[in-house]
This record gives sequence, structure tokens and C-alpha cells, in this order.
Amino acid sequence: DVQMTQSPSTLSASVGDRVTITCRASQSISSWLAWYQLKPGKAPKLLIYKASNLESGVPSRFSGSGSGTEFTLTVSSLQPDDFATYYCQQYKTYPWTFGQGTKVEIK
Amino acid sequence: QVQLQESGPGLVKPSGTLSLTCTVSGGSIGNSHWWGWVRQSPEKGLEWIGEIYPSGTINYNPSLKSRVTISVDKSKNQFSLKLSSVTAADTAIYYCARDKFSGLYAHDAFDIWGQGTMVTVSS
Repeated sequence: DVQMTQSPSTLSASVGDRVTITCRASQSISSWLAWYQLKPGKAPKLLIYKASNLESGVPSRFSGSGSGTEFTLTVSSLQPDDFATYYCQQYKTYPWTFGQGTKVEIK
Repeated sequence: QVQLQESGPGLVKPSGTLSLTCTVSGGSIGNSHWWGWVRQSPEKGLEWIGEIYPSGTINYNPSLKSRVTISVDKSKNQFSLKLSSVTAADTAIYYCARDKFSGLYAHDAFDIWGQGTMVTVSS
């Protein structure tokens, strides 16, 4: 299986901060990577697909970059609604696998 | 817009079978998109379980393949998950989700998810 490693596991930040989350794959996955936002009791939300494509309806403060084995999710100016847990997922090779998550907390 | 809703028992006895259904509303399962199941537990994080294409093509996670069955009922606009011989390790939030890509021979991210349903395995 392709192992996905996210860092950091937890991130403390303030409203307005620029935050970056990293996701590393154990082998090349080209650009077959997605980023999701999860909040308790709510449906997970797709933010970024194919590493850098912003899903329709997602605010432009979210951006993704990278290819091969190293990827980043950046929030340019953190908003109150952005405090959540973020996961990366590869869909290059079965079985699809996810990172362990990054919890973005209020500082 | 398309919405997904999981349903099924919230409590399953050890060694029993977990059965969940995902109902698609606001659109038709039709003959497009892969439809999948993902679960979330504190121990394993997010884990992909498997997926089905309306034509009947199915892929399972090898780690669960011996215990999992995914099926689709297009007449009811639903797809289902069965997981047999459950243990406490199968306690998780179970999500159904739709693959963003509409074709059979490629994949993309999961663009639509259900809210998830908590399933506890306990006697």
C-alpha cells in the first residue's frame, strides 16, 4: 500500500494566519492527490483534487501544490470556519489510502 | 444537487454482520460514477473499504476483502455495504461517497460524501 504521511499532526494558529500542511507519499503518485476537510457530525468536504485543482465552491484561500511524493495544502488567511481536521488521500494505486490527519486548532 | 445518506444499525454484535445502505438523492446512480465506502476510527484513521460501478464492477481493499460485500440497487437508487465477522476493531464512523469522475476506466477524488453513521461492535 502507498503510505501517506502528513505533518504536522496538530497545528495551532490564529485567524488570519497562513498555514501549510504537508503530505508525503511512500512512492510517486503523480498528481493523484486530494485534500479533504472533516468536521464532527458533518459530511467530509473535498477541497482540492489532482493535487492543485480547487473544488467548485471552495474558497480561494485554499490552494494545493506538489507532485510525485510531496504535496502541500495552504490556507492563505485562516478563517474561523477553517478550524477542522484535514486529510490527504492518494488515488493513484489501489487501495486508496489517506494521511493520518492534521488538526488545525485555535491558538 | 446529489446527496448521500447512510443508514443501518448503530450496534452490531461481535462475529455478526454489519449492514449499511447509502441512499442517493437529487440524482440517479444511473450508469456512471464509482460509489464507495470509507470508514474512520481513532485507531486507523480514514480507511477506504471499497467501491462499485453501477455496471457491477467492484474493487475492495485487500485488508478487508475476505469479509466485505458491496452491491448496488439501481431501482432504489442505493448501494450497500456488508461486513461479516465483525470485531471491536470494526467500530467506526462509516461514510459513503461518490467518485468525482463519471467514467469506469479512471478515478478522481470523492466529491460528495454522506454525513456518516457511527457503528459500534459490542455485545
